[in-house]
Amino acid sequence: GAGVSQSPSNKVTEKGKDVELRCDPISGHTALYWYRQSLGQGLEFLIYFQGNSAPDKSGLPSDRFSAERTGGSVSTLTIQRTQQEDSAVYLCADAGVGGELFFGEGSRLTVL
Amino acid sequence: GIQVEQSPPDLILQEGANSTLRCNFSDSVNNLQWFHQNPWGQLINLFYIPSGTKQNGRLSATTVATERYSLLYISSSQTTDSGVYFCAVDVDPIIQGAQKLVFGQGTRLTINP
Repeated sequence: GAGVSQSPSNKVTEKGKDVELRCDPISGHTALYWYRQSLGQGLEFLIYFQGNSAPDKSGLPSDRFSAERTGGSVSTLTIQRTQQEDSAVYLCADAGVGGELFFGEGSRLTVL
Repeated sequence: GIQVEQSPPDLILQEGANSTLRCNFSDSVNNLQWFHQNPWGQLINLFYIPSGTKQNGRLSATTVATERYSLLYISSSQTTDSGVYFCAVDVDPIIQGAQKLVFGQGTRLTINP
């Protein structure tokens, strides 16, 4: 596709369950980011991947959060043992060499 | 870390009016971007503007890096301009597109018909 694609668009889960969120970036863009937006708030940086370099995980809120990027393309954000405070919209973005970020439509996570 | 403050937090206007949104930041930046989040949640990049002035149709933006602020101008506003406008900055130099943006809290713009 032409844009950043995320799935699922909506996920409702029970507290304590694990969830996986997927991001398909724009072909050819080497940098990939995950951000989180809680209700009524701005965006919070979580992690980014840049080419073959080690990812910058400095924004991950706890060790229950992890992410990987396979083959320099698709990325998966995993949240283990979900908590209610994990409820948010998780946004994936990539960037061309010009620096502009292109966001996907997000995955809305609700933890009951 | 760097602080990003946007004003006003809320703005309600009639269709056709002009508006100015402001973004203040607390440190020198190498990267500043403006985004529009529509009522369905989609974030659209409006401008990449660490300094200077850019225009795109009815929208324009100016960043005065030495004074640590940026302005987004919307002229002849339309109902489709409604949504939240975010300013985001990064203090680190861009390397092959790498950046960790710090977002402001946004300005919620409502354009009434």
